[in-house]
Amino acid sequence: DQQVKQNSPSLSVQEGRISILNCDYTNSMFDYFLWYKKYPAEGPTFLISISSIKDKNEDGRFTVFLNKSAKHLSLHIVPSQPGDSAVYFCAAEGKGANNLFFGTGTRLTVIP
Amino acid sequence: EAQVTQNPRYLITVTGKKLTVTCSQNMNHEYMSWYRQDPGLGLRQIYYSMNVEVTDKGDVPEGYKVSRKEKRNFPLILESPSPNQTSLYFCASSLASGRLYEQFFGPGTRLTVL
Repeated sequence: DQQVKQNSPSLSVQEGRISILNCDYTNSMFDYFLWYKKYPAEGPTFLISISSIKDKNEDGRFTVFLNKSAKHLSLHIVPSQPGDSAVYFCAAEGKGANNLFFGTGTRLTVIP
Repeated sequence: EAQVTQNPRYLITVTGKKLTVTCSQNMNHEYMSWYRQDPGLGLRQIYYSMNVEVTDKGDVPEGYKVSRKEKRNFPLILESPSPNQTSLYFCASSLASGRLYEQFFGPGTRLTVL
């Protein structure tokens, strides 16, 4: 059973606009969340994370929002750039756990 | 250059023929892990290792073995591969286990079992 879900397999956005990628989780024991970015023929690379004690974390053009009551997080990219075109994975971890649970990924295409 | 390397990058094999996918990191990381990525399922952890000679099962360990005889290497062994092990495999490493430590992923190994 998929504990971390990304219901949109793909998203297209115009360059300069905002990209919003969504992620839902079912396990209330998750308390740390991450976003990874993956280019073709490469492994995922860490992008940004958020602890459950926060509801927002910002790093440059990237902001992650966490809504614990809805078990939902989102990644905002503003402004979107063509180099942001990649597959984005949401991941979650429980306290004391040694593994990450990944979503199925969303392919973002930023159109120049 | 700090990196995680995997070999081979692509492999086509037949059912039952033992194979090993190697993983090596040059960052002196203690924690290493193997994942498989399948359509509609995301990445799922197969095995992980907290340090030399310490390994443990992840979420989908059936059909796989690992060993950690040296800090830098963490090979994934398929003793008798089956078609349901056709997948994209990623090795990852981090300085230690836990959320403070970013996981670095290798480029992936695409395995096809006929």
